[in-house]
Amino acid sequence: DGGITQSPKYLFRKEGQNVTLSCEQNLNHDAMYWYRQDPGQGLRLIYYSQIVNDFQKGDIAEGYSVSREKKESFPLTVTSAQKNPTAFYLCASSTYRGEGNTIYFGEGSWLTVV
Amino acid sequence: AQSVAQPEDQVNVAEGNPLTVKCTYSVSGNPYLFWYVQYPNRGLQFLLKYITGDNLVKGSYGFEAEFNKSQTSFHLKKPSALVSDSALYFCAVRDSGNTGKLIFGQGTTLQVKP
Repeated sequence: DGGITQSPKYLFRKEGQNVTLSCEQNLNHDAMYWYRQDPGQGLRLIYYSQIVNDFQKGDIAEGYSVSREKKESFPLTVTSAQKNPTAFYLCASSTYRGEGNTIYFGEGSWLTVV
Repeated sequence: AQSVAQPEDQVNVAEGNPLTVKCTYSVSGNPYLFWYVQYPNRGLQFLLKYITGDNLVKGSYGFEAEFNKSQTSFHLKKPSALVSDSALYFCAVRDSGNTGKLIFGQGTTLQVKP
């Protein structure tokens, strides 16, 4: 089936630890996005990539890093510099051209600091 | 700056009654508007979008939305609500810049009671 796969679904981070969330898509989409969701705050953009080997900071990029070495993969690393990482993280993708193109989302990953 | 507002945190309706979830937007240029639904602990599912053309847009699961340019609104509607429609609904506008990102409202919780 075509879609966006995020893993793991649940992840726990200890203080000072970096963790990586995986996002893979087989939709042949050019653009990929990472959003963070906190209760009552909607979704906020962390990073986005419109093409392989290129990515841009979104609205809340501090404490996060990404890579885009392959078209189908866009992993997100939550570093120890992110002081409040507990949230629901959503990966998304779309074709690059056209503002009317739909952005599709994965099932999300929960990250909790312990 | 582009923005989306969902003025109601929660909407309560009885099963079988019509429902409306409100959304207003502020954009420069042509608006590209989207509705998504999120069930607990899940990703966002695309419902419908407005790009151009008819002001009444039909989408998944019997939902439709009415685009009103003069009122800058894009309200989500359904003629007869189901208990299974209970979820969190997000309105979003596509960024008119080069990012292609979605700008989300805060979300509205729809509660349909039997």
